[in-house]
Amino acid sequence: QVTLKESGPGMLQPSKTLSLTCSFSGFSLSTSGMVVSWIRQPSGKSLEWLAAIDWDGDKYYNPSLKSRLTVSKDTSNTQVFLKITSVDTADTATYYCVRRQYYFDYWGQGVMVTVSS
Amino acid sequence: EIVLTQSPTTMTASPGEKVTITCRASSSVSYMHWYQQKPGASPKPWIYETSKLASGVPDRFSGSGSGTSYSLTINNMEAEDAATYYCQQWNYPFTFGSGTKLEIK
Repeated sequence: QVTLKESGPGMLQPSKTLSLTCSFSGFSLSTSGMVVSWIRQPSGKSLEWLAAIDWDGDKYYNPSLKSRLTVSKDTSNTQVFLKITSVDTADTATYYCVRRQYYFDYWGQGVMVTVSS
Repeated sequence: EIVLTQSPTTMTASPGEKVTITCRASSSVSYMHWYQQKPGASPKPWIYETSKLASGVPDRFSGSGSGTSYSLTINNMEAEDAATYYCQQWNYPFTFGSGTKLEIK
């Protein structure tokens, strides 16, 4: 059974760094073709793909946010992390951790993050 | 970056009605994926690689298209189909359409 679960601070202040963790089970990120992505969704709006890391450790970023994003994984291949620097109110959203082989087939429940002073 | 434009933005359909949602890409893509999202829930894969139904999706749903024009069709709309549907193209950077909110009359 594939599961993914996001965790994060809930709320943070503008200009800080947002750190998110995705803990997953039921698959191995070391399996060829496996990718874990981060996708976010502001309330009432559409989805925005942010970043991905694949089984080989290659990283992919949304060009519009690339300078602020860092995706990584742990050595046991059971967690993936995302850091977003210099957050602003526009970063307020629900953040999803999502598995992708050929399409986004398993989604976490999402973690809501609010950026506010 | 490939921009996806969905239409309509919102629509209301009666039970039994045929529904078609379209997704137009700013550049040609080989495949289109579709996701269904209900309020308070994570998106679910619905149709992948243009026309393949994800696990558990009723066969009243179908997908078609090529190049820059794709569509999701529901034959015989049911109450449980009320949701927001998003298209997504498979080239980096991945992008999603703005969504189509489908309501039941």
